[in-house]
Amino acid sequence: DGGITQSPKYLFRKEGQNVTLSCEQNLNHDAMYWYRQDPGQGLRLIYYSQIVNDFQKGDIAEGYSVSREKKESFPLTVTSAQKNPTAFYLCASRDDRGEGTGELFFGEGSRLTVL
Amino acid sequence: AQSVAQPEDQVNVAEGNPLTVKCTYSVSGNPYLFWYVQYPNRGLQFLLKYITGDNLVKGSYGFEAEFNKSQTSFHLKKPSALVSDSALYFCAVSRANRDDKIIFGKGTRLHILP
Repeated sequence: DGGITQSPKYLFRKEGQNVTLSCEQNLNHDAMYWYRQDPGQGLRLIYYSQIVNDFQKGDIAEGYSVSREKKESFPLTVTSAQKNPTAFYLCASRDDRGEGTGELFFGEGSRLTVL
Repeated sequence: AQSVAQPEDQVNVAEGNPLTVKCTYSVSGNPYLFWYVQYPNRGLQFLLKYITGDNLVKGSYGFEAEFNKSQTSFHLKKPSALVSDSALYFCAVSRANRDDKIIFGKGTRLHILP
């Protein structure tokens, strides 16, 4: 089945460690997004990529890094510079074919806890 | 920059009654508007979108939303609520541009009381 796969679903990290969250899609979408979700704050955009080898910072990019070497993959690295990394991370791809713009398709999320 | 406001953190509705979840937006130019639903510890599921055309948009699970340009609103509605509608609902907006980022509101928790 087509969809977005995020891994791992749960991740624990010690302070000072970098961690990489995986996001893979087989929907043939060009655009991919990373959001962070915290209780009461909704979804905040970290990074997004409209095409392979290109990406833009979102509203809260500090302490995060991404790469987009393949259309199917958009991994997110949470670095030790991120001050408060404990959160639920959501990856999405966007259906931008056809008329107008399309909706986002989300993965099931990765919950990161810093110990 | 675009923004979305969902003025109610929580909405309580009795089962069988109509429900409304409010959303207002700010964007330069024409908007693309979306509603999503989230169940606990899951990703978001798409409900409906407004791109252009008819101001009343129908979506999944009997939900609909009305685009009101003068009031910059895109309220989510359902004529008769089900207990299974209880979830977290997000409104989102982008400029009418395929390459633009999509910005989400803070979410509204909907409780349907049996």
